[in-house]
Amino acid sequence: QVQLVQSEAEVKKPGASVKVSCKASGYTFTSYYMHWVRQAPGQGLEWMGIINPSVAGTFYAQKFQGRVTMTRDTSTNTVDMELSSLRSEDTAVYYCARGGEVVTAMRLYYFDYWGQGTLVTVSS
Amino acid sequence: EIVLTQSPGTLSLSPGERATLSCRASQSVFSSYLAWYQQKPGQAPRLLIYGASSRATGIPDRFSGSGSGTDFTLTISRLEPEDFAVYYCQQYGNSPLTFGGGTKVEIK
Repeated sequence: QVQLVQSEAEVKKPGASVKVSCKASGYTFTSYYMHWVRQAPGQGLEWMGIINPSVAGTFYAQKFQGRVTMTRDTSTNTVDMELSSLRSEDTAVYYCARGGEVVTAMRLYYFDYWGQGTLVTVSS
Repeated sequence: EIVLTQSPGTLSLSPGERATLSCRASQSVFSSYLAWYQQKPGQAPRLLIYGASSRATGIPDRFSGSGSGTDFTLTISRLEPEDFAVYYCQQYGNSPLTFGGGTKVEIK
């Protein structure tokens, strides 16, 4: 069965960076795009960007360009999301979510499987 | 970017009642690429509907989606106790992907 297992919660100071990991299993890792979505406390969902695990190509939401980096490791079936220059407004639960099949080239898609979420708290 | 507005913000209903949730887009959603998710406290969202009206795997048939263009609806025909949650719509026809603000379905 498909599983996305994320790293544990993090507490960071303003200005620092955080890296959140997402380990995939139960399917062919390089066959599906992976997205990152975040949710501030008590708020809605916000899309951050996408990575193609096959070729490591990325596309980021404009809001996060310059601050977010998504990478993948095909040896461990893991996708990482690093967010830099953290501020208090970045306090949120960060989710990885599986998108469409790479073979369709549909980078824009819905999310059929989600990780359990990783709480990142930014506080001085 | 496409802004999705969900209404009402909160829906207070009793088990067994019908729930009708609305999602309105600021511009036409390409090819009805509209999905619905259910989220319970402390959990990740769960896919219910994609392509405006196709149920995801394992989703009960009391959940149905409809609509096209700028107006979409999620209907829960008879609310079960486990259906009380927050529901989000998401469009995936245009970049950036965007979500609505959510509708909370609470027990009356």
